[in-house]
Amino acid sequence: GQQLNQSPQSMFIQEGEDVSMNCTSSSIFNTWLWYKQDPGEGPVLLIALYKAGELTSNGRLTAQFGITRKDSFLNISASIPSDVGIYFCAGQPTRNSGGSNYKLTFGKGTLLTVNP
Amino acid sequence: EAGVAQSPRYKIIEKRQSVAFWCNPISGHATLYWYQQILGQGPKLLIQFQNNGVVDDSQLPKDRFSAERLKGVDSTLKIQPAKLEDSAVYLCASSLGYGGTPRILGYTFGSGTRLTVV
Repeated sequence: GQQLNQSPQSMFIQEGEDVSMNCTSSSIFNTWLWYKQDPGEGPVLLIALYKAGELTSNGRLTAQFGITRKDSFLNISASIPSDVGIYFCAGQPTRNSGGSNYKLTFGKGTLLTVNP
Repeated sequence: EAGVAQSPRYKIIEKRQSVAFWCNPISGHATLYWYQQILGQGPKLLIQFQNNGVVDDSQLPKDRFSAERLKGVDSTLKIQPAKLEDSAVYLCASSLGYGGTPRILGYTFGSGTRLTVV
């Protein structure tokens, strides 16, 4: 099946620093999504990307849909303590991939720790 | 708007016992999903319902896992008998429908049930 490789696995940074994480896939995705999961909660959608090359921002977060449609990255600028959590990328396959019902495939997550 | 409700929040059982989880989706959401999230991994889809019918259960271990959504609203996921490797967070999600993108469909996760099998 489709697999997403997300890196880094974890990051420990100082408040105010910028953060970058990325996701690569062995196959093409039609949509890339970035989620954040706080302890004891479900994932919450941060940014959705719909076409190759798209660059989208949501406050201090910026994400890009790779030109090859097999990768995406997420940047967080000027990190603050509440950015702590696990960030997941997720992809939706192309419509023609065997009737996949737009199933989401998740990466393994990047654990972000921000030191005040 | 109320979110996706799940219960219980935590459950500890011994291996070979049975356990059931309950989910109530956002009102009006026709599609309901059950995910398994093992520690250190991303969520993995177990089963997807559209109203009271199963759309996808290809990754559901059917020898021990079962799920139902009889009236097309709330849903129950059962494990019988449980194994140690079933320890995970079980997330429920719902959306208006499927065949589109999560943002447009209002795809929302619940807070999950943390299962520990000892």
